Amino acid sequence: SYELTQPPSLSVSPGQTASITCSGDNLGDKYVCWYQQKPGQSPVLVIYQDTKRPSGIPERFSGSNSGNTATLTISGTQAMDEADYYCQAWDSSTAVFGGGTKLTVL
Amino acid sequence: EVQLLESGGGLVQPGGSLRLSCAASGFTFSRYAMSWVRQAPGKGLEWVSSISGDGVSTYYADSVKGRFPISRDNSKNTLYLQMNSLRDEDTAVYYCAKIPYFYASGNNNWFDPWGQGTLVTVSS
Repeated sequence: SYELTQPPSLSVSPGQTASITCSGDNLGDKYVCWYQQKPGQSPVLVIYQDTKRPSGIPERFSGSNSGNTATLTISGTQAMDEADYYCQAWDSSTAVFGGGTKLTVL
Repeated sequence: EVQLLESGGGLVQPGGSLRLSCAASGFTFSRYAMSWVRQAPGKGLEWVSSISGDGVSTYYADSVKGRFPISRDNSKNTLYLQMNSLRDEDTAVYYCAKIPYFYASGNNNWFDPWGQGTLVTVSS
C-alpha cells in the first residue's frame, strides 16, 4: 500500500519560515493537499491540488510538489500556526494520509 | 454556510454494531461525494470510506472493508456509516467530510469542510 512520510515534529521561531515535508514514491505525479489540526478541533484544509489555498487561508501558507516530496511552507510563522499538519494524496481511489507533523512555534 | 454534524457515537462492546450519521446543510448534498475519516486517540488521520453523490460508487480502507458499509439518503441530506463487528482498534473520533466533486474516486479530490466528529469507543 502507498505510504506518505512526514517528520514527527518541527520547531520554528516566530517570524521564521517553517517547511514541512511529505515524502512518497513518485509523489509529484499525484495531487497533494494539507490539513491543519489544532488541539481539540477538526482538521482544516490549508492547501489543495499541491499549491492552491482555500479562501480564508492566509497567504503565508504555500505548497509545492515535485519528485518524491511535497512541501508545506509557512512564511512568517505565527504563534497561531502551532498545530498538527497532515499531508494527503490518493492512490487507486484510496485516500492516504501522512503520519502528521507537530509544528511548535517558540 | 456548509455544515456537517455527526452523531451516533458512543460506547460499544467488541463485536457490536453502531450506526453513525452525518447531517449536511448549506449545499446541494446530492451533487457531492462524501467521506468518513477517523482519528484514534492521540494518533493521526485515517481515511475510512468514500461514496459518490448518487451513492452508487463506494470505496473502503482495507481495515474496514466488509464491516463498515457507507450509504447516504439524499432526500434527508444525511450520510451514514454502519459499523459492524467492531474491534478495539476501531476506537476513534469519526469525522465526515465533503469532497468537492460528484465522484469520490478522483485523484484530485480533497476533504473540505469536516464535521466536528463523533467519538466511538469499543471496549468491554
